[in-house]
Amino acid sequence: NAGVTQTPKFQVLKTGQSMTLQCAQDMNHEYMSWYRQDPGMGLRLIHYSVGAGITDQGEVPNGYNVSRSTTEDFPLRLLSAAPSQTSVYFCASSLYSLGQGYNEQFFGPGTRLTVL
Amino acid sequence: GENVEQHPSTLSVQEGDSAVIKCTYSDSASNYFPWYKQELGKRPQLIIDIRSNVGEKKDQRIAVTLNKTAKHFSLHITETQPEDSAVYFCAASKNTNAGKSTFGDGTTLTVKP
Repeated sequence: NAGVTQTPKFQVLKTGQSMTLQCAQDMNHEYMSWYRQDPGMGLRLIHYSVGAGITDQGEVPNGYNVSRSTTEDFPLRLLSAAPSQTSVYFCASSLYSLGQGYNEQFFGPGTRLTVL
Repeated sequence: GENVEQHPSTLSVQEGDSAVIKCTYSDSASNYFPWYKQELGKRPQLIIDIRSNVGEKKDQRIAVTLNKTAKHFSLHITETQPEDSAVYFCAASKNTNAGKSTFGDGTTLTVKP
């Protein structure tokens, strides 16, 4: 298994440009999340999905859109990039266990985004 | 919403000493508390977790304790080694939903040989 994969690893955008960060997992996990990590801070939840066709907002959703058309893929779209969106973005997935809920999150390698 | 505070922000210990990192949370409904280790430039990885029905959990040199009344939990690393140097994050979530975790700001642990 490749686990959770993300592309690209690095990206530089100009203010106002749009782009999509890709995330895929091959573990058949129902739950997928997007986080951003800024220097000196923990991870903050942007959007999450409990399964194909179902998404919801996290703590910091403004400026980002998501969709979940398949179990495997969960892309994150930046609609009009702003310097405040310069960050490292992590995608994660987790599996539901009956009686225990969603347990360990498996993180992708991250995408380092710079918006000029 | 949930608020997680983590202390200290940096911690330096000598190899072989113990390290303790503490976190407090605000939402009494939180019931799942994972700890992640993140090495420089790498992804976070789960090292240990605890659920609200357990007061302590141990895995070799790592242990986590939970005090639900006081709403705090701690990570204990014994016999520290240089490879333990990393950033450690605590997190809290409700309904054992790790995917909706609120994270602390992290502790940078340095183990000096």
